[in-house]
Amino acid sequence: KAGVTQTPRYLIKTRGQQVTLSCSPISGHRSVSWYQQTPGQGLQFLFEYFSETQRNKGNFPGRFSGRQFSNSRSEMNVSTLELGDSALYLCASRSGTSGGPQETQYFGPGTRLLVL
Amino acid sequence: AQKITQTQPGMFVQEKEAVTLDCTYDTSDQSYGLFWYKQPSSGEMIFLIYQGSYDEQNATEGRYSLNFQKARKSANLVISASQLGDSAMYFCAMREYSYSGAGSYQLTFGKGTKLSVIP
Repeated sequence: KAGVTQTPRYLIKTRGQQVTLSCSPISGHRSVSWYQQTPGQGLQFLFEYFSETQRNKGNFPGRFSGRQFSNSRSEMNVSTLELGDSALYLCASRSGTSGGPQETQYFGPGTRLLVL
Repeated sequence: AQKITQTQPGMFVQEKEAVTLDCTYDTSDQSYGLFWYKQPSSGEMIFLIYQGSYDEQNATEGRYSLNFQKARKSANLVISASQLGDSAMYFCAMREYSYSGAGSYQLTFGKGTKLSVIP
């Protein structure tokens, strides 16, 4: 089975622009989560989508949004970029079928975003 | 208070030796899961091992084992017979799970430990 894929892998934007990142989960997985990783704050949960519905959202401003399509692929959008948005954005998927705490998330390679 | 604490920012280990990476956690949930991930310099988070709060046996996966001490709220990762390819960041993470129907899934991560394996 192919793993989680993310595009693009690297991105350079300027302040004020917006950006869209894409994530394709493992085949058959219905849940996609997004995390932001920075040297200062570490790994922080952004949001989770399950069957096209946002299940949970982390403590991020409204500039961060996402969506999930019927094929479980997900996109994350950041509007009005700030310098502090420079980070590694990681997408993770899980099957969403077991319902138990042992269910594991599998991560993609990430998208490195640099805001100038 | 931090939910996941990894007190070792960096560790060195000789090749073929065993190493223990520390992780303590804080939760009031009775049901939770603990995970360890490896992150090489390429950035991808690689799942290593899982331990459930109700599991009585320590989890093992190949060269990885988890030393789970529930009363002390610690879940240390033990890597046996270290290899050069083990050099990476290692993250401890927790999922707090309340059986309230269709729950959401959110991992809380520690700050990580950078492991360097010396030949």
